[in-house]
Amino acid sequence: GNSVTQMEGPVTLSEEAFLTINCTYTATGYPSLFWYVQYPGEGLQLLLKATKADDKGSNKGFEATYRKETTSFHLEKGSVQVSDSAVYFCALRPNNAGNMLTFGGGTRLMVKP
Amino acid sequence: NAGVTQTPKFRVLKTGQSMTLLCAQDMNHEYMYWYRQDPGMGLRLIHYSVGEGTTAKGEVPDGYNVSRLKKQNFLLGLESAAPSQTSVYFCASSYGSQQPQHFGDGTRLSIL
Repeated sequence: GNSVTQMEGPVTLSEEAFLTINCTYTATGYPSLFWYVQYPGEGLQLLLKATKADDKGSNKGFEATYRKETTSFHLEKGSVQVSDSAVYFCALRPNNAGNMLTFGGGTRLMVKP
Repeated sequence: NAGVTQTPKFRVLKTGQSMTLLCAQDMNHEYMYWYRQDPGMGLRLIHYSVGEGTTAKGEVPDGYNVSRLKKQNFLLGLESAAPSQTSVYFCASSYGSQQPQHFGDGTRLSIL
């Protein structure tokens, strides 16, 4: 079956530090890959996506590259801010399953001033 | 600019009680979804709907029922609540199968 594995948190960083949150997946074929962000007390928001190998999704300074050879979609940001504190979810959508998403367990990021 | 609205936001039930969670969207989306979120497990799909009058089972449908009588509303029912159903429930909607899902703010449900 399909699955998504994320690094366990929490990840605690100082402001302006470099961020990496690892995500690897298992799926047949060529799924689409997503990062969602959940701020405290809110629902999930789509942060970025990539639909084919070597695509790079980017938004709000965050980036992730679809790596087919390593089945990975790691999230990066060069300089985090306190306002980036949230829970980040990696997810995949198989290419033959409509809009059925499979989520990873989430990684909590805490950024200290 | 409401988007996806879930009611209630919090609820405490006793084992065996029933209740209905309401999800309403004002974006004219065809697809609607109910997820539950448990610590360390991400979101898991309970049921979904691809249009008014249709519903389908997701990954964890047991103990839940749903109805989509109107396009804008998707109801999630618990007929006989169990402590294992203590969770945060999220509703989402999307315009089509390949379009991004928009999420509500969640309902925190505790079963004692």
